Amino acid sequence: EAQVTQNPRYLITVTGKKLTVTCSQNMNHEYMSWYRQDPGLGLRQIYYSMNVEVTDKGDVPEGYKVSRKEKRNFPLILESPSPNQTSLYFCASNHIGGRTIYGYTFGSGTRLTVV
Amino acid sequence: AQTVTQSQPEMSVQEAETVTLSCTYDTSENNYYLFWYKQPPSRQMILVIRQEAYKQQNATENRFSVNFQKAAKSFSLKISDSQLGDTAMYFCAFMKEDYTGANSKLTFGKGITLSVRP
Repeated sequence: EAQVTQNPRYLITVTGKKLTVTCSQNMNHEYMSWYRQDPGLGLRQIYYSMNVEVTDKGDVPEGYKVSRKEKRNFPLILESPSPNQTSLYFCASNHIGGRTIYGYTFGSGTRLTVV
Repeated sequence: AQTVTQSQPEMSVQEAETVTLSCTYDTSENNYYLFWYKQPPSRQMILVIRQEAYKQQNATENRFSVNFQKAAKSFSLKISDSQLGDTAMYFCAFMKEDYTGANSKLTFGKGITLSVRP
């Protein structure tokens, strides 16, 4: 089954304790992206990657890091989490090229709480 | 930069009736894609319908259809014969057409919460 797998689904952590949210896709998609969803703000892009070793900032990159060492994986790293990073996070992937765009395939989301 | 506006935060509809969710966007691009995503309480983001800007015909998927007005930059979603399972948050989203992938970003509106009453 074609899917984007995120882990964990729920995470509670303390301020300053480094954490990683994993994301993996099995569709051989070139493009991967991280979004955060906050009430009243919709989804905002954090980082994206167009292919292996190619990453760039989205609209709200502060406090986050990403890496793309393999095509299928795109982890999100919070080196020193703060309470304002409490949010719902989504990983998504998409195929690049051709005129037909099917939209992103999303993971199931990670609910992160930083206390 | 593109912006997507969903001005209604909440709507309610009686089961079996029809409801229309509004969305406007702002862009200087001529070629782009528009989407409606559904997010039920399970949090999963589900693609409901998509529209290519170069197509004049409005997209339809079963009970879901859009009214795409390119000149007015309007992209509303009509849900016919509403069902209890349609209760969810709905997001309108924009993507510029770019084969290089550099601008494959989906820009979302703030969403609208739709409640279907039994």
